[in-house]
Amino acid sequence: GAVVSQHPSWVICKSGTSVKIECRSLDFQATTMFWYRQFPKQSLMLMATSNEGSKATYEQGVEKDKFLINHASLTLSTLTVTSAHPEDSSFYICSAHPGTGTNYGYTFGSGTRLTVV
Amino acid sequence: AQTVTQSQPEMSVQEAETVTLSCTYDTSESNYYLFWYKQPPSRQMILVIRQEAYKQQNATENRFSVNFQKAAKSFSLKISDSQLGDTAMYFCAFMKPQAGTALIFGKGTTLSVSS
Repeated sequence: GAVVSQHPSWVICKSGTSVKIECRSLDFQATTMFWYRQFPKQSLMLMATSNEGSKATYEQGVEKDKFLINHASLTLSTLTVTSAHPEDSSFYICSAHPGTGTNYGYTFGSGTRLTVV
Repeated sequence: AQTVTQSQPEMSVQEAETVTLSCTYDTSESNYYLFWYKQPPSRQMILVIRQEAYKQQNATENRFSVNFQKAAKSFSLKISDSQLGDTAMYFCAFMKPQAGTALIFGKGTTLSVSS
């Protein structure tokens, strides 16, 4: 149980276009989901906290107008990278908490490798 | 604010040997949870082991065990009988018990297991 599905696994887009990444909790409801960004051989950097039915909370330094987050249902959060540029190329990972006890670890999606050319 | 420190960027070990990865953290919370996650080359994050701060007993999961020293704010991971499949980046993470709070990660330790 506690599976998070993330799509696409990888995407290549042209500079200036937008890309949408989906994160779905398959067997549990997630009031809150988290979006991370990871550069090669580095740690996960929290970008934003996605809250179902309300606005996302962005970490300091993350452009909310560039990284649009929508959490329209208890099982789906989306991250849209708008007007993507090569510096947005990175690995993006979502995670959610199954909520079956606060000591249960967060479950992560398989990640999306974004390459902007 | 909470911080998590992993002071070993890279480590290597031979198959069947034991290795210990270090992690220290800083918090003013009395209750919290600690985790070790593994990220193999596939980049899928995999939960290895978790520890509840109010439990004195160290957590164990098969070949993986932790040495949790609450007063010292230390949370090391011991991998026994290392296997090639243990090759991965390992992240120590902290979590407050409140719902909706994100994990705070250390910078990670890259572990290489060789035959």
